[in-house]
Amino acid sequence: NAGVMQNPRHLVRRRGQEARLRCSPMKGHSHVYWYRQLPEEGLKFMVYLQKENIIDESGMPKERFSAEFPKEGPSILRIQQVVRGDSAAYFCASLEAGGKETQYFGPGTRLLVL
Amino acid sequence: DAKTTQPNSMESNEEEPVHLPCNHSTISGTDYIHWYRQLPSQGPEYVIHGLTSNVNNRMASLAIAEDRKSSTLILHRATLRDAAVYYCILSPPASGGYNKLIFGAGTRLAVHP
Repeated sequence: NAGVMQNPRHLVRRRGQEARLRCSPMKGHSHVYWYRQLPEEGLKFMVYLQKENIIDESGMPKERFSAEFPKEGPSILRIQQVVRGDSAAYFCASLEAGGKETQYFGPGTRLLVL
Repeated sequence: DAKTTQPNSMESNEEEPVHLPCNHSTISGTDYIHWYRQLPSQGPEYVIHGLTSNVNNRMASLAIAEDRKSSTLILHRATLRDAAVYYCILSPPASGGYNKLIFGAGTRLAVHP
């Protein structure tokens, strides 16, 4: 049973470009969470999605950031017009529905904005 | 969001037991106690979780105080691979839809050969 997969593992963008981060949850998991870890800081919750629905986006910056989890395919975290402050590690986690409590994390995407 | 308090750092010797404490005096009746760890340059890794009773798995044991205001993660025999930042996190049940994990600074565990 493959774990949570994220790609790319490393992403370099210039200021003003767009970054697309992908997360494939574990097989059978229908809940996805995105977290961000700025350099030398702790992980911060960004958004929680179920298939085709955003459940909690209280941690998402109001501008330039969006997330989706379509019926088919991976969850996408999209950052438009990246700035240097967006440089961070972005982790997704998945959860199995039906009363399970454990979120399983992927290896992360390390975004560097030049 | 319920908060937890952990020591910033701890040290252990290899093959000795390690007890990592966590205080959570404002825990609500339905909050689960989760422990995750993060090894350098990796994503967080689930360690264990519990609600009221002590829990054991292949990685660790979780001892929960009777009043649930504190808990202790126990690594029975520390290895070098256990050197990581350990996070104690409270979270409502996933069924409620508000179970985002709120990470604090955690405890940085150093394991000496």
